[in-house]
Amino acid sequence: RKEVEQDPGPFNVPEGATVAFNCTYSNSASQSFFWYRQDCRKEPKLLMSVYSSGNEDGRFTAQLNRASQYISLLIRDSKLSDSATYLCVVRGNFNKFYFGSGTKLNVKP
Amino acid sequence: GAVVSQHPSRVICKSGTSVKIECRSLDFQATTMFWYRQFPKQSLMLMATSNEGSKATYEQGVEKDKFLINHASLTLSTLTVTSAHPEDSSFYICSASGGQAYTDTQYFGPGTRLTVL
Repeated sequence: RKEVEQDPGPFNVPEGATVAFNCTYSNSASQSFFWYRQDCRKEPKLLMSVYSSGNEDGRFTAQLNRASQYISLLIRDSKLSDSATYLCVVRGNFNKFYFGSGTKLNVKP
Repeated sequence: GAVVSQHPSRVICKSGTSVKIECRSLDFQATTMFWYRQFPKQSLMLMATSNEGSKATYEQGVEKDKFLINHASLTLSTLTVTSAHPEDSSFYICSASGGQAYTDTQYFGPGTRLTVL
């Protein structure tokens, strides 16, 4: 079983839509959680960290459910520029990071 | 803050040559640096993890004699692809982590696109 699992998508949504991605992780001792976005042929860039209390940054909301071991990312009012691959990342012990395979989002006009 | 540079951004070389890629953390001390490889339309694949001043830890299936990693200082790590072959053509990305705070994460360099002819 993979350490971190994501639905690969693609998610095809119209501009203005709300879209949600989920990610599950297998190690209950995982310490930190993050969402990255990766544009085609570019490096991943940190989108936001995910805290137990949930956190919001503009149109983006991230939530963590430790009991069920999943992380979510909600994007409201999707823009064309949100089209990218979204990577779920979990940090375990000894500074070991585990990446999901990514969820591809296509926002259409 | 948390800027990571990588050089060169693009390399085209002949088969059999060695290629050196540098990764630098510009505004923080990176106790750990990671090297990844990504083939087109595939996920990032971790190649190795290196801690400053110690030998790199390679992932299964990655040849340590082919991919030489040096992490000589808290701001610099290098990856040398020795005797490169066309199948080594890929997007190589480094990342750096300070590894201190629980919220600390990895910050990625812009990547090096290697093409071996």
